[in-house]
Amino acid sequence: EAGVTQFPSHSVIEKGQTVTLRCDPISGHDNLYWYRRVMGKEIKFLLHFVKESKQDESGMPNNRFLAERTGGTYSTLKVQPAELEDSGVYFCASSVRGRTDTQYFGPGTRLTVL
Amino acid sequence: GDSVTQMEGPVTLSEEAFLTINCTYTATGYPSLFWYVQYPGEGLQLLLKATKADDKGSNKGFEATYRKETTSFHLEKGSVQVSDSAVYFCARFAGGTSYGKLTFGQGTILTVHP
Repeated sequence: EAGVTQFPSHSVIEKGQTVTLRCDPISGHDNLYWYRRVMGKEIKFLLHFVKESKQDESGMPNNRFLAERTGGTYSTLKVQPAELEDSGVYFCASSVRGRTDTQYFGPGTRLTVL
Repeated sequence: GDSVTQMEGPVTLSEEAFLTINCTYTATGYPSLFWYVQYPGEGLQLLLKATKADDKGSNKGFEATYRKETTSFHLEKGSVQVSDSAVYFCARFAGGTSYGKLTFGQGTILTVHP
């Protein structure tokens, strides 16, 4: 069974540009999460989807970030326009219905904003 | 709010040395506790977990005991190997109104030399 996959693995963009990160959860997992680790600090929660609905988006830093999960399968996280402080590693995770405590993480996307 | 504090490191050890990485958590509610590991170039992997007080999680020679009286969940291994070199993250899961949010510590880099 394939694990959580993320694309791209690394993205380098200029300040002010737009970047879209993609996450494919484990097949059949209703729950999908986004997290971010900035500057070697703690990994912080961004948001949680249940199927295509946003269950909790309390961690989204501002309105430059837009997450979608159309059809309840893969998800995208768009940053527009990107700022220097958005640099970091963005992790996606998924879990089965009813088991939000056991989350399986992807390898992450390293975003560098210059 | 919920938080997790772990020793920052980096920690450098010789092979076969004893390892302790300290982790403490805020005592709100009855969280589940986790240790995740990130090997170089890979994503986060669940190493072990404990769901209630006095539970001991164990995996790959690593152990951690859920201590409610000291609000701690320290990671230990009796004899580390070079292959244990990685970043270790302590995390808590509150559930309830926090839905699927994991709260992480800042990570501890472990380097094991031959």
